[in-house]
Amino acid sequence: EPEVTQTPSHQVTQMGQEVILRCVPISNHLYFYWYRQILGQKVEFLVSFYNNEISEKSEIFDDQFSVERPDGSNFTLKIRSTKLEDSAMYFCASSEPGGVVEEKLFFGSGTQLSVL
Amino acid sequence: DAKTTQPPSMDCAEGRAANLPCNHSTISGNEYVYWYRQIHSQGPQYIIHGLKNNETNEMASLIITEDRKSSTLILPHATLRDTAVYYCIVRVGRYNFNKFYFGSGTKLNVKP
Repeated sequence: EPEVTQTPSHQVTQMGQEVILRCVPISNHLYFYWYRQILGQKVEFLVSFYNNEISEKSEIFDDQFSVERPDGSNFTLKIRSTKLEDSAMYFCASSEPGGVVEEKLFFGSGTQLSVL
Repeated sequence: DAKTTQPPSMDCAEGRAANLPCNHSTISGNEYVYWYRQIHSQGPQYIIHGLKNNETNEMASLIITEDRKSSTLILPHATLRDTAVYYCIVRVGRYNFNKFYFGSGTKLNVKP
């Protein structure tokens, strides 16, 4: 069964450093998302992306965050200058187009980001 | 924010049916009910979804009340591997982006 792949599974960085989290969505999917989950808390929506642009973002997704689809397969989340409170599990997700087939969101296994 | 209410935890004996309730009293006519689960800190896994009819797939059944204000996810024969947090989510429409709001979910403990 096709799946969303995320790398790395764990990322440790120093406060103030830039990090890039990588995702390979399911190949025929057109909608891409990032969610995050701080330890012990809810899964939170960050951003959705379609047709090479952000379609919606949450309050969490401030100027320190950016997303990109640099080629036909990868989808990345960049945090420009990490803060301690950015420590969380980051999940990438993708979904196929709506229409006759109702959209299901498929999540990757996540990248655990630890900011020291 | 999350528009659903779920009990924080439930226990179920292995091999028995697990019935997980969800209240979504403010649901609108075009909102779907989705169920996901999260095992440990893995990515949420899709289980099932529906609009107003009951649904069944290889994983579970979804029973939606006639007024659509509540639903029940049924795992017919729970196993230890079904221990997870189960999320009930309502989503607007069919063509909108899947900006799911995850609540706190129900922690299902399947016991031997």
